[in-house]
Amino acid sequence: GEDVEQSLFLSVREGDSSVINCTYTDSSSTYLYWYKQEPGAGLQLLTYIFSNMDMKQDQRLTVLLNKKDKHLSLRIADTQTGDSAIYFCAESIQGFQKLVFGTGTRLLVSP
Amino acid sequence: NAGVTQTPKFQVLKTGQSMTLQCAQDMNHEYMSWYRQDPGMGLRLIHYSVGAGITDQGEVPNGYNVSRSTTEDFPLRLLSAAPSQTSVYFCASSLRGRDTDTQYFGPGTRLTVL
Repeated sequence: GEDVEQSLFLSVREGDSSVINCTYTDSSSTYLYWYKQEPGAGLQLLTYIFSNMDMKQDQRLTVLLNKKDKHLSLRIADTQTGDSAIYFCAESIQGFQKLVFGTGTRLLVSP
Repeated sequence: NAGVTQTPKFQVLKTGQSMTLQCAQDMNHEYMSWYRQDPGMGLRLIHYSVGAGITDQGEVPNGYNVSRSTTEDFPLRLLSAAPSQTSVYFCASSLRGRDTDTQYFGPGTRLTVL
């Protein structure tokens, strides 16, 4: 079955880079996503990557995909205190956005 | 646009009670879905709809009913609430539900079943 795993917690200092990691098990994933959840709010789509790509860059965000190892990462450059949130990776298995989410990584950015 | 709205924000039920969680979107999106979020777990898909009159089950549909009589609304019904349904519920919508369509989430409903 599908399973998406993430580390639970990451703490960085403001200005440093953050790297959030995710592993997934279903090799038929078509798209992989990163969502951000701020306290008391719903999820916000940050970026996504098609499964035949290795890397995608979007301003401060860089997504790396290693299909062989089923490993996905999100790098946030110059991390700010406003980046403190929970970050979820998710994979699309059967289309129609029937997403399987990871457990979420809580990012804490200290001044 | 108000985006995706959910009501109520908080709800406490007793075991066996029924209630409906409301979800509405004003973006003319065809695809709508319901997720639940539990501590230490990611979001899990309950039910989804690809258009008015069409619904289907997700990963954890037991204990929940949905209907889609209009494009705008996608209510989630709990017929007989159980403590295992204590969770935060999120509604989401996207244009057609394609993988590349941005999925917009509502602010969530926090439900406690005693």
